[in-house]
Amino acid sequence: NAGVMQNPRHLVRRRGQEARLRCSPMKGHSHVYWYRQLPEEGLKFMVYLQKENIIDESGMPKERFSAEFPKEGPSILRIQQVVRGDSAAYFCASSIARGAEQPQHFGDGTRLSIL
Amino acid sequence: KQEVTQIPAALSVPEGENLVLNCSFTDSAIYNLQWFRQDPGKGLTSLLLIQSSQREQTSGRLNASLDKSSGRSTLYIAASQPGDSATYLCAVATGANNLFFGTGTRLTVIP
Repeated sequence: NAGVMQNPRHLVRRRGQEARLRCSPMKGHSHVYWYRQLPEEGLKFMVYLQKENIIDESGMPKERFSAEFPKEGPSILRIQQVVRGDSAAYFCASSIARGAEQPQHFGDGTRLSIL
Repeated sequence: KQEVTQIPAALSVPEGENLVLNCSFTDSAIYNLQWFRQDPGKGLTSLLLIQSSQREQTSGRLNASLDKSSGRSTLYIAASQPGDSATYLCAVATGANNLFFGTGTRLTVIP
């Protein structure tokens, strides 16, 4: 499968635990974007990363959330001390280059449920 | 701040009917506009991407138009089929980094 791969597809955590969401971009893509879709809402941008660099994290909550895209391996979105309000679908997208003319390709998302 | 609105929120049509989905955005300084399809529990599938310099794009039974000055786009679906049932999302790029999404139109095509 040459598409954007996200895992796990579903993740259940209890309040106060940590959640780690993984995203492997399409082959040859070095730009990764994370979006969050709350129930009955549209997707909201969270963070944009290139290999080893966070380029834009303007949509990321200031506390408990962090993201990385190491030189080797997938991009990770980490949520510490999860709360009920973190329950959402988290989508990752990748593009081959920076620039609005480059389409973003989306994964199937991770559905995070907080008990 | 860019805001994207999609009307209607839900639409049901009989099979074979032509239909139009609407998208409006508040800031006309966009780089491009994309229409996506989202099936329940699935990710987003890109349908059409219109650059800011373009007026429309076509793919099969789909045609998307863009009027940047008025902040509007339409997605036209010809001869609708039950397999077209899904949520259709409109998204605009106002920079190189991220997309602003509408909340979608949930389409049901009745056999």
